[in-house]
Amino acid sequence: DVKVTQSSRYLVKRTGEKVFLECVQDMDHENMFWYRQDPGLGLRLIYFSYDVKMKEKGDIPEGYSVSREKKERFSLILESASTNQTSMYLCASASGSRFRGFNTEAFFGQGTRLTVV
Amino acid sequence: KQEVTQIPAALSVPEGENLVLNCSFTDSAIYNLQWFRQDPGKGLTSLLLIQSSQREQTSGRLNASLDKSSGRSTLYIAASQPGDSATYLCAVRYSTLTFGKGTMLLVSP
Repeated sequence: DVKVTQSSRYLVKRTGEKVFLECVQDMDHENMFWYRQDPGLGLRLIYFSYDVKMKEKGDIPEGYSVSREKKERFSLILESASTNQTSMYLCASASGSRFRGFNTEAFFGQGTRLTVV
Repeated sequence: KQEVTQIPAALSVPEGENLVLNCSFTDSAIYNLQWFRQDPGKGLTSLLLIQSSQREQTSGRLNASLDKSSGRSTLYIAASQPGDSATYLCAVRYSTLTFGKGTMLLVSP
């Protein structure tokens, strides 16, 4: 059974804290993604990674950074958490490359509900 | 900019009805289209994946179609059940996934 696992279901952090959200996949996928989901705005792409040590900005990267030191792990970092980063965060993985194309199924983790107070 | 639109935003039906959810996208240069289900407070569960070269896919009571040239997909749910109540999301894959805002479905007993 394929798996994308996010380290926490619920997190409560204080304004100004540095926050790490971890995502691990066991499918040897090259591509990994971080989205946030907000009512009325849908899912918006924060950052993605085509492969190990690679990262690309998505639509809303401000206030976030990422790390992909190993193929199976993609971390989202909130450098200094703010209340407007209170959201549901979703990690996904899929295989694909510019050479082979991006035509495979994507899998999502269970989500992390982050509240910044 | 790539955009994905889902209609309707919300749908309420009695149990047993057949229903259709719609998804449209502006850029037809997609690799595939994926339909997901999301229960409240949970992650996304993949329902069906249609490759850009395919016209439809079926899984149980679900049937998804794709008309790439017109930028449209539909998800057909046959004989709806209360357990089908959830939000249904359409996502198109370019190199990343671009999502619609979803259709919230309520099936009443």
